[in-house]
Amino acid sequence: QVQLVQSGAEVRKPGASVKVSCKASGYTFTSYYLHWVRQAPGQGLEWMGIINPSGGTTTYAQKFQGRVTMTRDTSTSTVYMELSSLRSEDTAVYYCATLDAFDIWGQGTMVTVSS
Amino acid sequence: EILLTQSPATLSLSPGERATLSCRASQSVTSYLFWYQQKPGQAPRLLIYDTSHRATGIPARFSGSGSGTDFTLTISSLEPEDFAVYYCQQRSNWRGTFGPGTKVDIK
Repeated sequence: QVQLVQSGAEVRKPGASVKVSCKASGYTFTSYYLHWVRQAPGQGLEWMGIINPSGGTTTYAQKFQGRVTMTRDTSTSTVYMELSSLRSEDTAVYYCATLDAFDIWGQGTMVTVSS
Repeated sequence: EILLTQSPATLSLSPGERATLSCRASQSVTSYLFWYQQKPGQAPRLLIYDTSHRATGIPARFSGSGSGTDFTLTISSLEPEDFAVYYCQQRSNWRGTFGPGTKVDIK
């Protein structure tokens, strides 16, 4: 079964960091780039960045440069997205997705930033 | 960074009517223009990729067109399950952006 399975919900205090995982299965992990997209409550979709699972190269949205790090572990077919210096505006559902004709989305991970 | 605007913000139509959704880019986009549908509580679903190609399993009533900076998603005859939010998305130079979305609701 082709799927992306993400880690569970997280609660963090302002200033902390969070690391969300996204495990791929059912297809060749290195064949498709993976993107991270977030959606704040009641808001639209926001593109955060992309990682090449094969070489590990990344490109981030300017808005998140310096605060986001995307990595991958080919041995477990997993990509990670770490966001630091969290603030309340980072409260959102975070998705990993292929954003390709081969369309797969993770189930989403709710990250809540609250003091 | 390429910005996308979508119009209208809300489209109120009845089942059976034709829906025309617009997506405009701040500068010319390659063919990597995508359309997604999102329903409440669900992840988005790909409808159209590369401007005009329907994704697997997407009904023929959905079509995409456009080039340069102006793109259109057309739903030829709305079915009850089509009432949702629609986003366009582009990728250029490995950077992607989404439009703010168009909500298609029942009139």
